[in-house]
Amino acid sequence: NAGVTQTPKFRVLKTGQSMTLLCAQDMNHEYMYWYRQDPGMGLRLIHYSVGEGTTAKGEVPDGYNVSRLKKQNFLLGLESAAPSQTSVYFCASSYRPSGGYTFGSGTRLTVV
Amino acid sequence: AQTVTQSQPEMSVQEAETVTLSCTYDTSENNYYLFWYKQPPSRQMILVIRQEAYKQQNATENRFSVNFQKAAKSFSLKISDSQLGDTAMYFCAFMKLRVTQGGSEKLVFGKGTKLTVNP
Repeated sequence: NAGVTQTPKFRVLKTGQSMTLLCAQDMNHEYMYWYRQDPGMGLRLIHYSVGEGTTAKGEVPDGYNVSRLKKQNFLLGLESAAPSQTSVYFCASSYRPSGGYTFGSGTRLTVV
Repeated sequence: AQTVTQSQPEMSVQEAETVTLSCTYDTSENNYYLFWYKQPPSRQMILVIRQEAYKQQNATENRFSVNFQKAAKSFSLKISDSQLGDTAMYFCAFMKLRVTQGGSEKLVFGKGTKLTVNP
């Protein structure tokens, strides 16, 4: 099993450009999450989903949008990238959140 | 809101020795879960150990064990017989049990402790 797969792994954007990060899981998990990791800040929750067709805001949702049209995919969009969105983005999924999450390997995004 | 504090930004230990990483948290909840995640240089987040707050017995996974002090809101990780492969960032995380309808239990992370195991 692939687990949680994130694409792309690296990306450089210019300020104002848009892009979509894709997260795919093959474990039939209902719950999916997007976090960002910044130096000295730990991981902070951007958005999450409790099932196909649902999304909800996390701790730092501004500047991001998400969609969960299919159960296995959770997309994170940046409509107009800003340097403050330079970060490593992690996707995670879970069957039973209290048991912990399964994380993808991350996407390093640089906005110049 | 829940907060998780890891007071040691960096630590080092000699191979084969024991090291303890500290974590404290702030919550008014009575039922919750606590986790330690490991992030090696590969960047992959790996679950190390998990503790349920209603269980008094400390969780253990091979060389990894925790000291859970509920009254003190403390959740430290002990790594015994440290190995070079234990070199990583370690994150403590909290998850409350009670959620709103349509919501989800969500992990709240500390800022991490960078552990280096020296040969």
